[in-house]
Amino acid sequence: SQTIHQWPATLVQPVGSPLSLECTVEGTSNPNLYWYRQAAGRGLQLLFYSVGIGQISSEVPQNLSASRPQDRQFILSSKKLLLSDSGFYLCAWSSGQGNQPQHFGDGTRLSIL
Amino acid sequence: GNSVTQMEGPVTLSEEAFLTINCTYTATGYPSLFWYVQYPGEGLQLLLKATKADDKGSNKGFEATYRKETTSFHLEKGSVQVSDSAVYFCALTTNSGGSNYKLTFGKGTLLTVNP
Repeated sequence: SQTIHQWPATLVQPVGSPLSLECTVEGTSNPNLYWYRQAAGRGLQLLFYSVGIGQISSEVPQNLSASRPQDRQFILSSKKLLLSDSGFYLCAWSSGQGNQPQHFGDGTRLSIL
Repeated sequence: GNSVTQMEGPVTLSEEAFLTINCTYTATGYPSLFWYVQYPGEGLQLLLKATKADDKGSNKGFEATYRKETTSFHLEKGSVQVSDSAVYFCALTTNSGGSNYKLTFGKGTLLTVNP
């Protein structure tokens, strides 16, 4: 069966520091991969998605970037964090087939001080 | 474009009460519909899905029927438990143009069930 792992679960970082969040998927090949941010108030904002290695699409301009160095690895990065980057970050995957659901990791709670 | 509208709540019920969370949608193409549940501090879990008109998705006592004529996918449960307290998201995806298969989410409905 397929599983998705996301780490760390919690992260506290100072303003201006770099960021690297990692997500890996097991049990499937060539998945679509997604990064979301969920701010307080529940709404989900799609940040990036990827349909293959090295293929990244950005949904919103921001100070974050994403990379997909391997088929089942998706990384969210920043060179210098802002206070506004605080939030709950969720990674998800879906099958490359049509109209399939996305499956989410457990999330990373990021707090910027 | 695609959009999902769901009652924002919060919804507060007593244990064993009947639950309905309304969800309506607009979509280009023929969507698949989903309900996700998010327990406090956790990621989203797929609760149920329906891929064509009149399909009924069900799981853990929850049900939702894909109604194309009313573009709705309301979530129901006959008798809620305290453990059902969570945020519920309605979502859809369409395979229209490209292979990205992005999900469109509603804003979420916070459900609190009191003993």
